[in-house]
Amino acid sequence: AQSVTQLDSQVPVFEEAPVELRCNYSSSVSVYLFWYVQYPNQGLQLLLKYLSGSTLVKGINGFEAEFNKSQTSFHLRKPSVHISDTAEYFCAVSGLRGYNKLIFGAGTRLAVHP
Amino acid sequence: DTGVSQDPRHKITKRGQNVTFRCDPISEHNRLYWYRQTLGQGPEFLTYFQNEAQLEKSRLLSDRFSAERPKGSFSTLEIQRTEQGDSAMYLCASSLAQGYNEQFFGPGTRLTVL
Repeated sequence: AQSVTQLDSQVPVFEEAPVELRCNYSSSVSVYLFWYVQYPNQGLQLLLKYLSGSTLVKGINGFEAEFNKSQTSFHLRKPSVHISDTAEYFCAVSGLRGYNKLIFGAGTRLAVHP
Repeated sequence: DTGVSQDPRHKITKRGQNVTFRCDPISEHNRLYWYRQTLGQGPEFLTYFQNEAQLEKSRLLSDRFSAERPKGSFSTLEIQRTEQGDSAMYLCASSLAQGYNEQFFGPGTRLTVL
């Protein structure tokens, strides 16, 4: 079984500052890793994913994440945030086999202030 | 718009009533998933279809819940004898069936049980 822990429920940050949203996972097998963003009253949108290869993955809107197998982490970063980045961010895992059922963390609310 | 659509977007019902939600996946997608998201939590997997076959049901899906995907196209999720604890956002996602493929999410149906 897999589980995901997002270490911060809320992260307030000022515009143009850097941000890191933390995610740790637990699994007895290899996994795929994902970050999704949810804007108010909208569905989930994939920001980025790690399937294999380079441990640093780049996604949309200037976000990137680094897979650290030894620490079972997949932290999301952005060097300079905008007001429009205010949203809920979800880290998720799925197994490599089968139909890729997603297991989500509880989410981190990023609030960007002017 | 060729994304995943869900209907209705909002549903308010009284405890004990039956409700049915519909999901229309992206047309060529074989896989269809239902998730439930309660306030302050990440989405939780409910059930999965490959074409018309329902291949997995979460233990979260009690006997009051039933899902169908006739002809492998749209899907319906029915909740009988609703309870206040059923209040949540119900999300549908679809993907292609070969290997890893990104799940595309619909906007969700928000259910409020009074």
